[in-house]
Amino acid sequence: DADVTQTPRNRITKTGKRIMLECSQTKGHDRMYWYRQDPGLGLRLIYYSFDVKDINKGEISDGYSVSRQAQAKFSLSLESAIPNQTALYFCATSDPARGREVSYNEQFFGPGTRLTVL
Amino acid sequence: QKEVEQNSGPLSVPEGAIASLNCTYSDRGSQSFFWYRQYSGKSPELIMSIYSNGDKEDGRFTAQLNKASQYVSLLIRDSQPSDSATYLCAVNIRGKTSYDKVIFGPGTSLSVIP
Repeated sequence: DADVTQTPRNRITKTGKRIMLECSQTKGHDRMYWYRQDPGLGLRLIYYSFDVKDINKGEISDGYSVSRQAQAKFSLSLESAIPNQTALYFCATSDPARGREVSYNEQFFGPGTRLTVL
Repeated sequence: QKEVEQNSGPLSVPEGAIASLNCTYSDRGSQSFFWYRQYSGKSPELIMSIYSNGDKEDGRFTAQLNKASQYVSLLIRDSQPSDSATYLCAVNIRGKTSYDKVIFGPGTSLSVIP
């Protein structure tokens, strides 16, 4: 089974609709992230969470909200979807393993959700 | 100056050749460096991590790090058509608090020609 799963994998919706993307992980990592990827713009961070009580905005959080229901679950919501939110969305996890001399913080990605807003 | 820079490509190499992918970064506090491979429409997959100056080899892949020059590279020996993908360079910057920030480059598209 995949360590990081995302649902749905594809979604087509209309402008103004509320959409929720879900992410679950079995890696036991405390940190979880939501990114979006657009052609030519690379990966951009939307929100990140260090634990259930610690949620932070990334570089492009406007129009999005998140919920960390448990260590293993991190959901992204688009309260009122608009066409320029059409993108590929990725959830990721990491375990920075602080206490070591070097912080590793490798990120592990889910399969992605392709969202189209008409 | 962008925090992590890569040539966007496309980089084309013949099958069996060495592909060389380059990345520069701006923050001298960077500690960890990663290379991800991303096939079209798929998620990024971690293929190499490097933390110390010098070379790190894993199969056909070699990562090279030069912190003085703020430069990290990925060499792919005996390139195969299945290596055709976008390669993302990522840099972990260790913050003063508990936040370690990972910055991704825009990626370099590699095409291996049979």
